Amino acid sequence: SQQGEEDPQALSIQEGENATMNCSYKTSINNLQWYRQNSGRGLVHLILIRSNEREKHSGRLRVTLDTSKKSSSLLITASRAADTASYFCATDPGSNYKLTFGKGTLLTVNP
Amino acid sequence: DVKVTQSSRYLVKRTGEKVFLECVQDMDHENMFWYRQDPGLGLRLIYFSYDVKMKEKGDIPEGYSVSREKKERFSLILESASTNQTSMYLCASTRPANTEAFFGQGTRLTVV
Repeated sequence: SQQGEEDPQALSIQEGENATMNCSYKTSINNLQWYRQNSGRGLVHLILIRSNEREKHSGRLRVTLDTSKKSSSLLITASRAADTASYFCATDPGSNYKLTFGKGTLLTVNP
Repeated sequence: DVKVTQSSRYLVKRTGEKVFLECVQDMDHENMFWYRQDPGLGLRLIYFSYDVKMKEKGDIPEGYSVSREKKERFSLILESASTNQTSMYLCASTRPANTEAFFGQGTRLTVV
């Protein structure tokens, strides 16, 4: 079964707006990661947050992690049309090497 | 520039054929993974390997097998392809701590 579940499934916004995506997971984790996928291509790593961290920033990306609620959020600020892609969270349980992904959020940024 | 390379970008095979999907990484990574991606289902883990000759079943291993004879190469085998195995297949590799996965460009397999 899939560990992470992203919410919403799809999100459409205007350029310049902020985009927030959420991820919920089921079991304890070592770290949680966010990835981006442009249509029909492989995934590209965006950011990793460890289980003992609560917030992390990278450029226009901000990730939060709440281990008590088993949830994470990805915020993209001042979005651009080029941010249009699918975004996935992935969880590493730390104990069995297994890296599992959710179903993804399709973000569309309209010019 | 680090790389994970999948042998084919597009593949068309007939029902019942034995199909090999090859993946090679040049980063000396210990962990390698095979996922399939279908609309509305996201990425589902088929098999993974954390060392040469070691393999572990993922969430949907039925109908698939894998081989890892060398550290840099991880092969996915469809013993007898069926139409429900038509999908996008993605290979990835990571270091042992799973800190960042590097993906290949994907193989879009169609079984007719």
